[in-house]
Amino acid sequence: DAGVIQSPRHEVTEMGQEVTLRCKPISGHNSLFWYRQTMMRGLELLIYFNNNVPIDDSGMPEDRFSAKMPNASFSTLKIQPSEPRDSAVYFCASSFSRGETGELFFGEGSRLTVL
Amino acid sequence: AQSVTQPDIHITVSEGASLELRCNYSYGATPYLFWYVQSPGQGLQLLLKYFSGDTLVQGIKGFEAEFKRSQSSFNLRKPSVHWSDAAEYFCAVGRGGADGLTFGKGTHLIIQP
Repeated sequence: DAGVIQSPRHEVTEMGQEVTLRCKPISGHNSLFWYRQTMMRGLELLIYFNNNVPIDDSGMPEDRFSAKMPNASFSTLKIQPSEPRDSAVYFCASSFSRGETGELFFGEGSRLTVL
Repeated sequence: AQSVTQPDIHITVSEGASLELRCNYSYGATPYLFWYVQSPGQGLQLLLKYFSGDTLVQGIKGFEAEFKRSQSSFNLRKPSVHWSDAAEYFCAVGRGGADGLTFGKGTHLIIQP
């Protein structure tokens, strides 16, 4: 079975450019999470969706960040304009919200470098 | 607010020796507890989880963890480590599912030959 699929795996861009990260959750999962991983802060929850509806975006660092989930099989995380401090690995994870233990399944991440 | 503390940033263990990684949590209700492992350049893989029942849980790759409510701990153990166990290990707490998980900062495990 396919796991969570993220693209691109690596992105190098210049400050001020728009960045779009993409995620396809596991089929049948109805919750989707965006995390950011840095050495300083570890894994931070940015935003999550239940049944395609954003539930909590309090982790989104600022207005430059936005996320959408237009349907159950696709989500995007956009940064506009990007800054060097946005350099990090961004993970998407999905789960079945009524599952017994609520285990999250992670993608392999998108490594973003902003020059 | 929920939180997870992994007091050891780095741990070095000789191959074949036993391992214990510490995890303490703060959570307002009965927690669901998880250990994940991350190899370089990879995503997080679930090792094991606790949500009810027996407080000693078995996971993949020979790992186990024990939930101790009185100590708010969920330590990860392995009786004999292999070089392939070198990785970053994360403890997490939450109800998962619809609400996500809160992760600790991770423990970097180094295996000496």
